[in-house]
Amino acid sequence: GDSVTQTEGPVTLSEGTSLTVNCSYETKQYPTLFWYVQYPGEGPQLLFKVPKANEKGSNRGFEATYNKEATSFHLQKASVQESDSAVYYCALSDSSGSWQLIFGSGTQLTVMP
Amino acid sequence: DMKVTQMPRYLIKRMGENVLLECGQDMSHETMYWYRQDPGLGLQLIYISYDVDSNSEGDIPKGYRVSRKKREHFSLILDSAKTNQTSVYFCASSWGGPPTEVFFGKGTRLTVV
Repeated sequence: GDSVTQTEGPVTLSEGTSLTVNCSYETKQYPTLFWYVQYPGEGPQLLFKVPKANEKGSNRGFEATYNKEATSFHLQKASVQESDSAVYYCALSDSSGSWQLIFGSGTQLTVMP
Repeated sequence: DMKVTQMPRYLIKRMGENVLLECGQDMSHETMYWYRQDPGLGLQLIYISYDVDSNSEGDIPKGYRVSRKKREHFSLILDSAKTNQTSVYFCASSWGGPPTEVFFGKGTRLTVV
């Protein structure tokens, strides 16, 4: 079945440094790919999505390119801020027609001032 | 206001007791979900509901059942709770069809002692 594998956490960075969270996926079809962010005490919320291969999604300075050949969707940000501290989830829409999202295990990011 | 509301937010139950987690959404979304979140495992789908009385098992349905009698309400029931059901439970909703965005509630932290 479909699956998502992402960078294991926790990840700790200093403010102003760059972030990469790796995400790779397995699927038999052409899913929409998502990055979700979860702040403490909240549910996950959509950061951005990319429905088509070889396109880029972005929001709040975060970006990721849907790389169909490499089956990757790495999350990047050039300069993190303390307010970016959260758990980040890579996800894909299931290809079996069940309409569910399949999530990776999440990456806890802590940004130190 | 687009919102998924979960009640209660925190719950402590004894092993063997029945548990009812309730969820409501104000967006008239056809599809609703119950996920559980555990450290290192990310978000695992328990049940998905495509509309009233149209429910399907997710990846980990054992020990759970659901009820959806109105489009805006989706309940998760644990009959005779077990300690390994201690977790954070998230309800979510989306428009029908392959999800373009899934909206999550703030979660219910359930402790079974």
